[in-house]
This record gives sequence, structure tokens and C-alpha cells, in this order.
Amino acid sequence: EIVMTQSPATLSVSPGERATLSCRASQSVSSNLAWYQQKPGQAPRLLIYGASTRATDIPARFSGSGSATEFTLTISSLQSEDFAVYYCQHYNNWPYTFGQGTKVEIK
Amino acid sequence: EVQLVESGGGLVQPGGSLRLSCTASGFTFSNYNINWVRQAPGKGLEWVSYISGSSSTIYYADSVKGRFTISRDNGKNSLYLQMNSLRAEDTAVYYCARGRGSYPFYYFDYWGQGTLVTVSS
Repeated sequence: EIVMTQSPATLSVSPGERATLSCRASQSVSSNLAWYQQKPGQAPRLLIYGASTRATDIPARFSGSGSATEFTLTISSLQSEDFAVYYCQHYNNWPYTFGQGTKVEIK
Repeated sequence: EVQLVESGGGLVQPGGSLRLSCTASGFTFSNYNINWVRQAPGKGLEWVSYISGSSSTIYYADSVKGRFTISRDNGKNSLYLQMNSLRAEDTAVYYCARGRGSYPFYYFDYWGQGTLVTVSS
């Protein structure tokens, strides 16, 4: 089973600032990596797939990069609606696994 | 509009059984694989099970193998999860999520709102 490790666990950012979230895989997952956003009481929402492709209706301030074992989600200028928990997930082979999440909170 | 709506959650005693349902609309259900993903209270996400569009391919997480059974009825646009021998650690919100991509590389592009399963005496 591939272990996904996200860092940091919590990120304190002021509105308008840039946020950089990291995700590391215990072995290569190629570009089979997705990012999801989850707000309290809501289902996860797909942001990025294929490591760098934005999902439908996702704002351009969200961008993904990386391949193999190292991945990054960048939010270029945080808006109030972006404060949430973010999960990475590999889908390179079964079982698919998620990272433990990064909480982006208001500084 | 793509919609996935889960139902069937509730309180069940350890060792008991429960059957979850997920009803889909807004897309051709039989063309897509569907997954169950769960989230324990205050915890992260855990993939539970996968079923292909034709039901020909099924996978389970080791944590539920032998206890949970996934199935679907394409005529009813519905997905099911039969959960037996339930344990306290199965307590979670259970989401159904549509898989998108090409076998075996699927990301989850639409999710239901979830149904809460609580296993407690």
C-alpha cells in the first residue's frame, strides 16, 4: 500500500496570501494524483487530477504540480472560501490512498 | 446535473448489519465505476470499495474485505454496500463517489453528501 504524507498538518495564511501544500508518496504514483477540498459538514470536492489539471469550474488560483513522489498544491491568493481541509490522493494502483489532510486556516 | 444521494445509515450494534444505498442521476450510470469512501469522525478519508460499470470488477480495502459487499443495479441507477459484522471502527460517514478516467486510473469527480453509520452498543 502506498502511503501518502501531507505537510504541513495546519497552514495559517492571511487572505490574499499564497498557500503551498505538499504531498509525498512512499513510492512513485506517476501523475496519478488528485487534490480535494473539504469544508466542514460537506463532501470532498475535486480540485486537481493528473497532478496538474484543474477540474471543471475550479478557479485558476488553484494549481497543482509534481510527479512521481513529490506533489504541490498552490493557492495563489487565498480567498475567504478557500479556508478548508485539503487532501491528496493517489490513484496509481489499488488500494487508492489519501493523505491525512492539510487544514488551511485564517491567520 | 450529476447527483449522488446516499441513504441507509444509522445506529447499529457491534456485530450487526446495515445496507447503504446510493442513487445516481444526471449521467449514464452504467458507464461509470462507483466507489465507497468513508470518513471516521474528525479523521481523514479512506477508500472502501470499487465496482466497475458492469459489476465485472470489484475491489475492497483490506479493512472491510470479507465483511462488506458492494453491488449495483444499473436498471435502478443504484449502488449498494452491504455491511456485515460491523465494528466500532466502521463508524464513519460513508460517501459514494463516481470514478472518472481510464482503467485502472480513476479519480473521483463527483461525491454524494454522505450517510453516517454509527456502530455502538
